[in-house]
Amino acid sequence: ILNVEQSPQSLHVQEGDSTNFTCSFPSSNFYALHWYRWETAKSPEALFVMTLNGDEKKKGRISATLNTKEGYSYLYIKGSQPEDSATYLCAFSRLTGGGNKLTFGTGTQLKVEL
Amino acid sequence: SQTIHQWPATLVQPVGSPLSLECTVEGTSNPNLYWYRQAAGRGLQLLFYSVGIGQISSEVPQNLSASRPQDRQFILSSKKLLLSDSGFYLCAWRGWAGAYNSPLHFGNGTRLTVT
Repeated sequence: ILNVEQSPQSLHVQEGDSTNFTCSFPSSNFYALHWYRWETAKSPEALFVMTLNGDEKKKGRISATLNTKEGYSYLYIKGSQPEDSATYLCAFSRLTGGGNKLTFGTGTQLKVEL
Repeated sequence: SQTIHQWPATLVQPVGSPLSLECTVEGTSNPNLYWYRQAAGRGLQLLFYSVGIGQISSEVPQNLSASRPQDRQFILSSKKLLLSDSGFYLCAWRGWAGAYNSPLHFGNGTRLTVT
């Protein structure tokens, strides 16, 4: 993996479903992995910043895990609600340059239907 | 508390005209500053970032340039716009260089349409 890749590109789920997305990134020279939620007509908002292999973070019904050795992170949403509809972005930074360059994936667009 | 201001919110410019987008941050010192662009149907592309006054890292060859004349001011410019410069431009800041777990905080964005 040379860049940040996210899958799936889009996802439609029913209210109450649990879902998860994947972010894949280069495993060498890892510094930090960020997750953001971007709702329509708003700016992206940070969900999590993870730096250690095995990190798990949780915020309400949303949680994320990190595997830096194999270069992936999962974002989970439990009991999806319509207000969870948004594009979920991950961003990766390398140790080179002090971790200041943050490169984004193309995002997973989630739509939660009633 | 920290705030980020980005303007203008929308802009329609003819091909070949100059561009200046401004971003300022309040309530913090020595932030890292970023310019991203989202072209139609694509993800967020990093254009420039800065870790200090006068220090600019350019990520993508293009006819855009960035400057940081003051600690909390970041300006995106072009001398002559191209049609391909159309997109949604986002400015962002994060904690000082070395605050490795600091997230990005985004401005409200500028929708640029080059006609």
